Amino acid sequence: GAGVSQSPRYKVAKRGQDVALRCDPISGHVSLFWYQQALGQGPEFLTYFQNEAQLDKSGLPSDRFFAERPEGSVSTLKIQRTQQEDSAVYLCASSQRAGAYNEQFFGPGTRLTVL
Amino acid sequence: RKEVEQDPGPFNVPEGATVAFNCTYSNSASQSFFWYRQDCRKEPKLLMSVYSSGNEDGRFTAQLNRASQYISLLIRDSKLSDSATYLCVVITWYGNKLVFGAGTILRVKS
Repeated sequence: GAGVSQSPRYKVAKRGQDVALRCDPISGHVSLFWYQQALGQGPEFLTYFQNEAQLDKSGLPSDRFFAERPEGSVSTLKIQRTQQEDSAVYLCASSQRAGAYNEQFFGPGTRLTVL
Repeated sequence: RKEVEQDPGPFNVPEGATVAFNCTYSNSASQSFFWYRQDCRKEPKLLMSVYSSGNEDGRFTAQLNRASQYISLLIRDSKLSDSATYLCVVITWYGNKLVFGAGTILRVKS
């Protein structure tokens, strides 16, 4: 069955470029989460959507990071003026119901390398 | 201090061995607890939830000690396919997010 998909799988950006990362959650899933995973670390929360509403963006590291989910399905994470410290795997997860307590299904991630 | 702490390992064990991992959490508002498994360069996947009464799923047993704020995972009769990073995860009662530890690496060798 269709799981969470993310694109691109790999992205190389020059420092200062803008990037956009896409997440297609499982159809009908209400909740969508973005996480950032640095090498050798666990995933760290960035932001949470319930349908189209961004209910929690407390994990976004700076105002260069912006996420949207305008129609309550596909989501895009945008990073402006990328820096080397933005290099990480960006994981998207979705769950069937609202909140973090239901099982979250993760996509394969986008590996971002900023040169 | 990180909110969820784990021994990074690696734990190198022979097939058939029993191995245990511990994890401590600092936020007393933590309410739900999980173990996730992450294979190399793959996404995390839920292994099991952790309940106060302890729970078992085949060769895997998870325990929660709320008083001491730690969680454990026991793997019996290790298989080569158990080699992975095991991530300890908590959710606070007010939170909208999973809080992950950095993970413990397990390598099972023949």
